[in-house]
Amino acid sequence: DAGVIQSPRHEVTEMGQEVTLRCKPISGHNSLFWYRQTMMRGLELLIYFNNNVPIDDSGMPEDRFSAKMPNASFSTLKIQPSEPRDSAVYFCASSLVWDRRATGELFFGEGSRLTVL
Amino acid sequence: RKEVEQDPGPFNVPEGATVAFNCTYSNSASQSFFWYRQDCRKEPKLLMSVYSSGNEDGRFTAQLNRASQYISLLIRDSKLSDSATYLCVVNIGGGYNKLIFGAGTRLAVHP
Repeated sequence: DAGVIQSPRHEVTEMGQEVTLRCKPISGHNSLFWYRQTMMRGLELLIYFNNNVPIDDSGMPEDRFSAKMPNASFSTLKIQPSEPRDSAVYFCASSLVWDRRATGELFFGEGSRLTVL
Repeated sequence: RKEVEQDPGPFNVPEGATVAFNCTYSNSASQSFFWYRQDCRKEPKLLMSVYSSGNEDGRFTAQLNRASQYISLLIRDSKLSDSATYLCVVNIGGGYNKLIFGAGTRLAVHP
């Protein structure tokens, strides 16, 4: 079975440019998460969706960040305009939650490594 | 204060050693607890859940103390392949998997 698929794997861009990261969750999973990982701050939860609806976006750092999930098989995280401090590895993860019983198992993609110059 | 705190390490141990990692969490409403493992430049993966009664999975033993808000992981008979970063994880999301990760403890097992 295919796991969580993220693209691009690596992106180098210049400050001020728009960045779009993409994620395809595992088929059948109903929850999707975006995390950011840096050496300084570790893994931070940015936003998560359940059944394509954003449940909690309190971790989104500022208005430059936006995330969408137009359907069950696709999500995007957009940064506009990008800044050097946005440089990080961005992970997408998915899971299956039945009857609001969380198992705690998230399946992560391989990550998108973003460098903003 | 961070929601989940861990000693960053690194812990450098020889093969065959027993090593223990600890973690504390601040949100008393946290509902479930886990250890994840992350290899260098890879994604995190679930290692095991943590139950109040303590639970074992082969060489790995996890323990939870809700009163002290403390979680532990014990690795017995360390292998070279255990070298990784171990992430303490707390679910604060009720019925959702709203997982908050600690910064991780790095383990290096040497021959």
